[in-house]
Amino acid sequence: DGGITQSPKYLFRKEGQNVTLSCEQNLNHDAMYWYRQDPGQGLRLIYYSQIVNDFQKGDIAEGYSVSREKKESFPLTVTSAQKNPTAFYLCASREETGYPDTQYFGPGTRLTVL
Amino acid sequence: AQKVTQAQTEISVVEKEDVTLDCVYETRDTTYYLFWYKQPPSGELVFLIRRNSFDEQNEISGRYSWNFQKSTSSFNFTITASQVVDSAVYFCALDEYGNKLVFGAGTILRVKS
Repeated sequence: DGGITQSPKYLFRKEGQNVTLSCEQNLNHDAMYWYRQDPGQGLRLIYYSQIVNDFQKGDIAEGYSVSREKKESFPLTVTSAQKNPTAFYLCASREETGYPDTQYFGPGTRLTVL
Repeated sequence: AQKVTQAQTEISVVEKEDVTLDCVYETRDTTYYLFWYKQPPSGELVFLIRRNSFDEQNEISGRYSWNFQKSTSSFNFTITASQVVDSAVYFCALDEYGNKLVFGAGTILRVKS
């Protein structure tokens, strides 16, 4: 089955800890994205990557870091510098053909800071 | 700057009613794409439709239809004969030939039996 997987589904973190959220896709898509969703709000872009070993900051990158060592994987680390990390995190991917293809989303990870 | 407004925060209807979700967007570009996504309680965003700025034809897919009007910068979504399974959060989004999807705040649709 082709798709995007995110793990874990639920994640609890103590204040001051870094945590890493996993995102894997087997769609052979070039571009991958991380979004954050807060209650009653739309999705906001954290980071995106159009190609392996390259990524760009989105609108709310502070306190987050990413890597793109493999085409199929785009992990997101929520660092202790992120002041309010409790949120729902969604990963997406898109086949990069030079124009805005559709972004497809994973099932999400709900992060709660205790 | 790009902006998407979904003025309806929450809509409640009774099953079999028709319901329209509004979406108004702002962009300076002449080439752009508009999307609708559905977010059921499970949380995953499900793609519904993509429309480019050069195609103003309305589209119908089963009980779903979309009305795109460039003159009013609107891309409204209508569900005909709503069902309980349509209960979800619906997002309208804009992609201005770049890499970012700009999302509206979403509309919560509650369909009661």
